This record gives sequence, structure tokens and C-alpha cells, in this order.
Amino acid sequence: ETGVTQTPRHLVMGMTNKKSLKCEQHLGHNAMYWYKQSAKKPLELMFVYSLEERVENNSVPSRFSPECPNSSHLFLHLHTLQPEDSALYLCASSQEPAVQTGTGELFFGEGSRLTVL
Amino acid sequence: DAKTTQPTSMDCAEGRAANLPCNHSTISGNEYVYWYRQIHSQGPQYIIHGLKNNETNEMASLIITEDRKSSTLILPHATLRDTAVYYCIAPSGTYKYIFGTGTRLKVLA
Repeated sequence: ETGVTQTPRHLVMGMTNKKSLKCEQHLGHNAMYWYKQSAKKPLELMFVYSLEERVENNSVPSRFSPECPNSSHLFLHLHTLQPEDSALYLCASSQEPAVQTGTGELFFGEGSRLTVL
Repeated sequence: DAKTTQPTSMDCAEGRAANLPCNHSTISGNEYVYWYRQIHSQGPQYIIHGLKNNETNEMASLIITEDRKSSTLILPHATLRDTAVYYCIAPSGTYKYIFGTGTRLKVLA
């Protein structure tokens, strides 16, 4: 139990469907992240939110739409996906500020495994 | 981010120390070195991080060379449950946690 909960754990959707992935953290962190991990590939950073504002958007296609209504919740809205979008989607959180002060360790959820048919 | 280089894979006998190296020759003075591991199909797990001094916690030890161009993660008594992919990262910008391919450690019975 990492304090970061992702739902659903598994999702199968057609290319015309609209679905959402949810992430909730109970750690009091104020930065949240979405990563994508395709089979046999490294984790790819998709989006980062700090204090509910998007601070990173790594050239992700518009069919992925993030939403961060508050510092504890993060969503990834999915629409008109392609089969190559099938992957494990991982949410993480960290304390603000990250990195330079050495307090930015990431806490990951277990991931949502997405299959696009 | 400072570029990190790790061996693709390593084997270690159960009960022995596992020493996982990482090169980060372009690391700058204020960049920490972080280690994570990912057990198959689970989210990555934070292990340890450090700046200059060696660090130890209940999971592992981190040895950083004096010039900070490389580091070694040490699992003192590896168990089968330590079989995982281990990532060394040295993020530069805030929030820039970029994971590479890591080292696939296999602990052998």
C-alpha cells in the first residue's frame, strides 16, 4: 500500500469509447503525475500537475486529457484511442517542491492496465 | 536530466549482496541520484536517494563516488523477492523524472 490508489485496475475499451482513469493520493502531496508504460518500454512521462496546475505536458496526443480538480485527485480522460495506446498507465505523487531539495521521491500507484480493441 | 547508464541485466545468488552500478557522468552539483525498482507489472517503488554522502536505509545502501559521476546500489542480502527492474535517475528540472530502461536483476535460488 503506497498511499496512491488507481481505478480501475483493468480496462478494455473500443476505439470509439470514452472512459476515464482515476488516481487518488492520501499522502498530502501536491504534485501528481501520469506515466505510460508500453510493453517492454521505459516509463514515459505524460503529464505533471503541481498545486492543481499543469506544469508538464510531454507532447501527448489530445485524445488523452488530464484533469486535476484538487491536489488529491487526478484523472486521465480517454477518447477515440488507438490500439497502440494499450499500456499500463501509472499515477504517482510527490511532495512539492520536488527534486532540488532531495525530497521529491515519487510514490506510484499499482497502475491501470488499458487494452484498446 | 543527467543521462544515466546502467547494465541491461544482472544475476545474483540468493543471500549474496547485489551491487547495481549506475554511471551519471554529466550530473551537476545539485542533482540528486534516485533509485527505484519495479517488480513485474507493478508500479515502481522508491528505494533510496542521495546527493554526495553514502546513504543507507532499511532497503538498501547507496554509494556515490567522490566525483559523483557514478553510484552503486547495494542490496546486502538479496532475496527472490528482489527480482525486479532497478532504475537509477538523476532528475535536473523540477518534476522531470525520466526513467530509462534500468537493470533487470534476477536473484537466483
